[in-house]
Amino acid sequence: QSVSQHNHHVILSEAASLELGCNYSYGGTVNLFWYVQYPGQHLQLLLKYFSGDPLVKGIKGFEAEFIKSKFSFNLRKPSVQWSDTAEYFCAVNPNSGYALNFGKGTSLLVTP
Amino acid sequence: DTGVSQDPRHKITKRGQNVTFRCDPISEHNRLYWYRQTLGQGPEFLTYFQNEAQLEKSRLLSDRFSAERPKGSFSTLEIQRTEQGDSAMYLCASSPQGEKLFFGSGTQLSVL
Repeated sequence: QSVSQHNHHVILSEAASLELGCNYSYGGTVNLFWYVQYPGQHLQLLLKYFSGDPLVKGIKGFEAEFIKSKFSFNLRKPSVQWSDTAEYFCAVNPNSGYALNFGKGTSLLVTP
Repeated sequence: DTGVSQDPRHKITKRGQNVTFRCDPISEHNRLYWYRQTLGQGPEFLTYFQNEAQLEKSRLLSDRFSAERPKGSFSTLEIQRTEQGDSAMYLCASSPQGEKLFFGSGTQLSVL
């Protein structure tokens, strides 16, 4: 049982589109999250999916799509800004447990 | 500041010594979590409290690790007989209902 983030380091220019991959291997019903850690700050919630519309919108123009058949929850943003430079973590909470299980994270650097 | 507070921010200790970290959650949050994060990894779940009850502790790393939340408010995490491999960032998070975790800034432990 794990959470896999496909890219460890991503470098983009401002205005480029972003997609960060996340796959999980937990069976059954899950709650899905993306957390972000800006430089020098603590982890904070970007968006979450519990049920319903598989396309969820979060703060700062981010969105994520849950594809159940692919066990995926990819994060997207149409146009990144320099201020999006941060570490992004996908996290999964199987409904059978208390733990929120994190992926290894993706470090995003947005260049001007 | 009404966020999650952790103390100390940094701790340097010698191998074999015991250390204790404190976490003060957001006051109305009854759920409290401890995580460990090492360089290049996502947060790793350690233990979970609901009020004063420790409902999940099977993922504490060894019997040298223990946690308490005696009155359902602040919590402590103790590591006995520290080892160099214990060097990491120890994160605390709290939540009102588990749907969103609020993280503290963490305690950075260095074991020499």
